[in-house]
Amino acid sequence: EDQVTQSPEALRLQEGESSSLNCSYTVSGLRGLFWYRQDPGKGPEFLFTLYSAGEEKEKERLKATLTKKESFLHITAPKPEDSATYLCAVQTGANNLFFGTGTRLTVIP
Amino acid sequence: DAGITQSPRYKITETGRQVTLMCHQTWSHSYMFWYRQDLGHGLRLIYYSAAADITDKGEVPDGYVVSRSKTENFPLTLESATRSQTSVYFCASSRTNKNTEAFFGQGTRLTVV
Repeated sequence: EDQVTQSPEALRLQEGESSSLNCSYTVSGLRGLFWYRQDPGKGPEFLFTLYSAGEEKEKERLKATLTKKESFLHITAPKPEDSATYLCAVQTGANNLFFGTGTRLTVIP
Repeated sequence: DAGITQSPRYKITETGRQVTLMCHQTWSHSYMFWYRQDLGHGLRLIYYSAAADITDKGEVPDGYVVSRSKTENFPLTLESATRSQTSVYFCASSRTNKNTEAFFGQGTRLTVV
């Protein structure tokens, strides 16, 4: 059974304190792994797509990496505006996108 | 305004009533999706559409009906609402079927009493 697990469920960081969020998956035939950011009361906002193990992508203070079993979202020197829920999703079939339950990040000034 | 809009933002309905959630996008994206988001489950795909007049079931389609007569609109209908359908519903669109850059609406919070 296809499964996506994100950890931790919640993370509190001091401003400037770097950390990583984890997304582990067990799926058959991974076509892509996606990271989204979701602010309270809003829809998810696309961040990255990763397609193959070893791939990395960066955007400002965020860097996403992918291995055969998991993906990490590294946050370097976070700011309060990085506070949000970060969602991971994997795509297996043509239109099957499975989302994890997210990591709620709070960055304290 | 360009983008993807959902209406209404909030809706309270009674058990057994029919309710339709609207979704409109201005990018002429081929693919459109409906998800529901519940605590402990994450986002789950209800239905999707690859083009006008082409729709298919997702992970949790029971109790829902969709249509897509025009590329820009993708309404979701709950034929006879149940309390288990209380959720936040998100519509999304993307240019391709890879969900590479799927754009989500603001969501509709539906409460069934």
